[in-house]
Amino acid sequence: GAVVSQHPSRVICKSGTSVKIECRSLDFQATTMFWYRQFPKKSLMLMATSNEGSKATYEQGVEKDKFLINHASLTLSTLTVTSAHPEDSSFYICSANPSDRGRTGELFFGEGSRLTVL
Amino acid sequence: SQKIEQNSEALNIQEGKTATLTCNYTNYSPAYLQWYRQDPGRGPVFLLLIRENEKEKRKERLKVTFDTTLKQSLFHITASQPADSATYLCALSNTGNQFYFGTGTSLTVIP
Repeated sequence: GAVVSQHPSRVICKSGTSVKIECRSLDFQATTMFWYRQFPKKSLMLMATSNEGSKATYEQGVEKDKFLINHASLTLSTLTVTSAHPEDSSFYICSANPSDRGRTGELFFGEGSRLTVL
Repeated sequence: SQKIEQNSEALNIQEGKTATLTCNYTNYSPAYLQWYRQDPGRGPVFLLLIRENEKEKRKERLKVTFDTTLKQSLFHITASQPADSATYLCALSNTGNQFYFGTGTSLTVIP
């Protein structure tokens, strides 16, 4: 099966700093990757669609200047939480759909990154 | 805006019985519906995909139905085992690209 790797798995930072989370597809290419956020005992909330070589598409209510997304290659997307505050503490998960499986294929998820902002 | 609800936050069931989870949606016409399993602190794992023109899909002990009239999907686990204990999420899309997730149901299979 396809593997998606996220790094770091856990990060603790001080309020006001920026944190970068990487999402890599290890054995497939993905022109599109998706970033989700999950609060404790809540469902996944789609934040944005990361598009290789172009700007990310953000869901309504998600601040694009706060959550910077870069999809530099067919195997790497990054999410940077800028000027993090305690309310940004959450579980961030990325997913990808292999480019050759069409839009109806399953999503492969990373293991998630737990961000704690002090 | 679309709303995706799963029938209960938590479901307890005796080992060997069939677990039935419900996913209801409003203000939405999804063409694709998926079910995922999520264990604590981990990313979701894909289980099944069903399209709007399909009534039912099966995979081993799993069965999914998709009723576009009722705007509902049912997810069944037959002969449930303690190892099936996890949170189950439905996810919907009308494009097959962005998927939006339901609220999740935490299933506990009691030995």
